[in-house]
Amino acid sequence: SQQGEEDPQALSIQEGENATMNCSYKTSINNLQWYRQNSGRGLVHLILIRSNEREKHSGRLRVTLDTSKKSSSLLITASRAADTASYFCATDLLRTSGTYKYIFGTGTRLKVLA
Amino acid sequence: GAGVSQSPSNKVTEKGKDVELRCDPISGHTALYWYRQRLGQGLEFLIYFQGNSAPDKSGLPSDRFSAERTGESVSTLTIQRTQQEDSAVYLCASSSTPNTEAFFGQGTRLTVV
Repeated sequence: SQQGEEDPQALSIQEGENATMNCSYKTSINNLQWYRQNSGRGLVHLILIRSNEREKHSGRLRVTLDTSKKSSSLLITASRAADTASYFCATDLLRTSGTYKYIFGTGTRLKVLA
Repeated sequence: GAGVSQSPSNKVTEKGKDVELRCDPISGHTALYWYRQRLGQGLEFLIYFQGNSAPDKSGLPSDRFSAERTGESVSTLTIQRTQQEDSAVYLCASSSTPNTEAFFGQGTRLTVV
């Protein structure tokens, strides 16, 4: 099963409102990343938060990480129609060799209505 | 190059044929990932290359799937005897080191008819 699971699966809001998406994971991580995907093709990196960080900001994005609950949230403030996309969290999975690979969740489909 | 490049952008093939998908990572990136994404679904991990280490093939769904990478450059994903269930977008990503931001290509949309 996937390491990360996003919630909700789909979200529809009005332009100007805030959008909150959550990600839960199962095993200990070194860091967690959020990505955006438009039109089902390439993903764009949004933000990376390390396990020793609790909150991080980038423009209208705010990410929190709670390692005790194994969860993260992505908040998009003052949403715009252009924010309409699918959002994925990715958690690193430590391999026995000591290096990492990323496992993606199932995504949240956000629709911002103008 | 400026970004991760994948080719072809779209591929339609007949069931039972072999296909080869190509990924050109960003120059100097040691880590390279292949993912599969079925319509409306999340990303499914397939395989991971890191430098000269043995690749992590744990996500390959069957022995019809294989991938190669030459050093820290081009990677090819080969699907033999394609099935309709193989229809999906195949995404490649690379990162400078294993635990950093991954850059994605635009993917190859494979349709098996």
